[in-house]
Amino acid sequence: RKEVEQDPGPFNVPEGATVAFNCTYSNSASQSFFWYRQDCRKEPKLLMSVYSSGNEDGRFTAQLNRASQYISLLIRDSKLSDSATYLCAVVGGYNKLIFGAGTRLAVHP
Amino acid sequence: EPEVTQTPSHQVTQMGQEVILRCVPISNHLYFYWYRQILGQKVEFLVSFYNNEISEKSEIFDDQFSVERPDGSNFTLKIRSTKLEDSAMYFCASSEDTLLGYTFGSGTRLTVV
Repeated sequence: RKEVEQDPGPFNVPEGATVAFNCTYSNSASQSFFWYRQDCRKEPKLLMSVYSSGNEDGRFTAQLNRASQYISLLIRDSKLSDSATYLCAVVGGYNKLIFGAGTRLAVHP
Repeated sequence: EPEVTQTPSHQVTQMGQEVILRCVPISNHLYFYWYRQILGQKVEFLVSFYNNEISEKSEIFDDQFSVERPDGSNFTLKIRSTKLEDSAMYFCASSEDTLLGYTFGSGTRLTVV
């Protein structure tokens, strides 16, 4: 089983749509979880941390389900500028960050 | 906003040559990392560095790779004898506290010809 698994997409959605991405991780001892955004040929940029209680930042909501080892990201009211690849990331042993393969989002007018 | 700086942005080298990729992490960060991303593939962990030594390395990080923190600010990745399959984007990252996230540099695109 892969350490971090994501649906690769692509998700093609119209502006204004709500879209949800899912991610599962294999190491039940993992303590820290993040969503990163990566634009084409650019570095990953931290979008938000994911907490057990769930957290929200504007149009973005992240949730963690430890029992199911599952992380989600919800984007409401999608903008054209949200088009990117969204990377789920989990901190594993020795504080290394392990990425999923990413989910591609394309928002169209 | 503090940032991680990487140089050069693009390096072309001949197969078998040595390359050194340079990174200046954020000054108060304690944890340093190198990742690579082959075009079209996922971001892969190479090595983590803490307290002036390697804390973990992946299977990719074989004997041709080495890392150094030669002074208080730089963090380098050396590839001793480059192969065609080393062509990738190499990202440096640093973290103050792994609960708070990791900041990535803009990367060095390495092309081995």
